[in-house]
Amino acid sequence: GAVVSQHPSWVICKSGTSVKIECRSLDFQATTMFWYRQFPKQSLMLMATSNEGSKATYEQGVEKDKFLINHASLTLSTLTVTSAHPEDSSFYICSARVKGANSDTQYFGPGTRLTVL
Amino acid sequence: QKEVEQNSGPLSVPEGAIASLNCTYSDRGSQSFFWYRQYSGKSPELIMFIYSNGDKEDGRFTAQLNKASQYVSLLIRDSQPSDSATYLCAVKSGGYQKVTFGIGTKLQVIP
Repeated sequence: GAVVSQHPSWVICKSGTSVKIECRSLDFQATTMFWYRQFPKQSLMLMATSNEGSKATYEQGVEKDKFLINHASLTLSTLTVTSAHPEDSSFYICSARVKGANSDTQYFGPGTRLTVL
Repeated sequence: QKEVEQNSGPLSVPEGAIASLNCTYSDRGSQSFFWYRQYSGKSPELIMFIYSNGDKEDGRFTAQLNKASQYVSLLIRDSQPSDSATYLCAVKSGGYQKVTFGIGTKLQVIP
C-alpha cells in the first residue's frame, strides 16, 4: 500500500506557541490530503481537505485561521496549529487520497500527538 | 441520525472464533465502503474496501455489502489476539472526496 509519513510523531509545546506538522506521501503523488483530529476514545473528526495548489476546505466548526493548511506540492501538506492552547491537545492524523484504475482509497500517516502545556 | 453507525463494543470473541463487525449508513448514494483497523495510540490502517454488493474476501477477512439494507460488515475468521483493536467503518458518497467514519467497534480476542 501507499506510504504516508508524518513529522513530528509527537510534540509538546507551551500555550500560545505555534506548531507545524508535516504530512508526506513517500511513494506516490497525492493531489488530495485530509487532516483529522482524534480525541481519546472518540472517532476521527475530519478537520479539512487539502488540495494541491488551492485553498483547503475546512469542515464546519474548524477555525481556518487557527489551523493553517498548506499543500504546496504533490507530496507535502502541512498543518500549523497557531497560538496553541491546552484544548488543542489531540492526536492529529493526515491521510492521502490514492486513486487507481479500480479503487479510490485513503491511506493514513502514523499521526502526531500534540500536547499543549 | 448519525451518518455511519457502529456499535462501540467491546465485542469479545474467543481465539479461533469468527468475529462479526457491523456498520449501517444513512446515505443511499454511498458508493465506496472501507474497513480500517486502529490499534490503541496508532493511526488507522486500511484493511479492505468494497464497492459492489456481495462478499469480498482477503485472507481471513471478508467484507459484506448490502446496499439495499444500507449495511456493511466485516468478518474475521480464526480470530487472533493480535486482531484486538478498534475497527472503523468508513463510507464515501459518490462525487465527494471525503470519507465519513463511524465511531469504531472495539474488538477483544480472548486467548
